Amino acid sequence: DVKVTQSSRYLVKRTGEKVFLECVQDMDHENMFWYRQDPGLGLRLIYFSYDVKMKEKGDIPEGYSVSREKKERFSLILESASTNQTSMYLCASSLRGLKSSEQYFGPGTRLTVT
Amino acid sequence: QQQVKQSPQSLIVQKGGIPIINCAYENTAFDYFPWYQQFPGKGPALLIAIRPDVSEKKEGRFTISFNKSAKQFSLHIMDSQPGDSATYFCAARTFIEGKLIFGQGTTLQVKP
Repeated sequence: DVKVTQSSRYLVKRTGEKVFLECVQDMDHENMFWYRQDPGLGLRLIYFSYDVKMKEKGDIPEGYSVSREKKERFSLILESASTNQTSMYLCASSLRGLKSSEQYFGPGTRLTVT
Repeated sequence: QQQVKQSPQSLIVQKGGIPIINCAYENTAFDYFPWYQQFPGKGPALLIAIRPDVSEKKEGRFTISFNKSAKQFSLHIMDSQPGDSATYFCAARTFIEGKLIFGQGTTLQVKP
């Protein structure tokens, strides 16, 4: 059974803290994605990666960075957390090519920045 | 601009009803249109998908209708059940990058 796991389900951080969100997939997928989900805005792509050491900016990369040192792991970093980054963060993975539209999502991390 | 607009934001139907969720897009550089279903506390999961050269696709009680000239597509749920209560997202895949652009989501409640 395919699986995408995220390091925390709930996280509370203070403004200005550096925050790490970890994602691991066990399906040997090439593509990995980070989204944030906000009511009325849907899922918005923050960053994605097609391969190890590679990263591409999504639609809302400001205030975030990512790291992909191993194929199965994709980390999202908030360099200096702000209250407007309070959100649900979802990680996903997929194969390349024609199968890329079938993304497998983790359960999400609800981050609150106070 | 790459955008997918989804409506309505929320929908309440009685059991057995046929909820319809609509999506529209502007960019023609999309090559695949999936729908995702999300239950509370879970990540979204692929429900059904359609290519733009097909006008309709049916899987069980779920049907996608696609109108390429109008740049619109919709999800119909036949004989809806309380277990279909969830948030539904339409999406469009960009041809070059292969990334998904999601709609705003529709929260569906099916009353018993």
